[in-house]
Amino acid sequence: AQSVAQPEDQVNVAEGNPLTVKCTYSVSGNPYLFWYVQYPNRGLQFLLKYITGDNLVKGSYGFEAEFNKSQTSFHLKKPSALVSDSALYFCAVGTGANNLFFGTGTRLTVIP
Amino acid sequence: GAGVSQSPRYKVAKRGQDVALRCDPISGHVSLFWYQQALGQGPEFLTYFQNEAQLDKSGLPSDRFFAERPEGSVSTLKIQRTQQEDSAVYLCASSLVRGRGNEKLFFGSGTQLSVL
Repeated sequence: AQSVAQPEDQVNVAEGNPLTVKCTYSVSGNPYLFWYVQYPNRGLQFLLKYITGDNLVKGSYGFEAEFNKSQTSFHLKKPSALVSDSALYFCAVGTGANNLFFGTGTRLTVIP
Repeated sequence: GAGVSQSPRYKVAKRGQDVALRCDPISGHVSLFWYQQALGQGPEFLTYFQNEAQLDKSGLPSDRFFAERPEGSVSTLKIQRTQQEDSAVYLCASSLVRGRGNEKLFFGSGTQLSVL
């Protein structure tokens, strides 16, 4: 069975500091891994995905994520946080079937 | 507009009422997905269409839930005899290619359903 865990409900970081939002997964076979961001009253927006190849994936708005197969993790990172990065972040895993399995989300607050 | 459009944005229903939620995907997108997002949770898969064909409805929680996409574009999610546990945000997403679990999805803003 597939599952995604986001162990932190809330992450607070000061503006300008690096940020990390954690995600671990469990899936049989090779995973497809995604990060989506949800702003208030907006739909989920795609940030980045890992399918195969380079373990470090770069995405929108300066975000990146590192696929770590041995730790079954796909943490989202950004070197310098902006106040506008404050939002709800979802990690998701696809398995080659039609649907994605989403984590429960992590609310990121960047403090000015 | 260029994005996925969902209507209504908010829907309040009395328990036992039927509701219909509409999704206009991005023009030309082959795949259409419905997800249910309960408060404080991540989206959960309901059903998937490839063009007009409903290829996967494994996530529909009961036979009160029905979805259709008769012409391969607009889709409607219908919930009959609504119950309080149906209260959630219903998200529609589309993608350019057929669903293989590795493509980028474009999401609408969702319909927030409240069943009283």
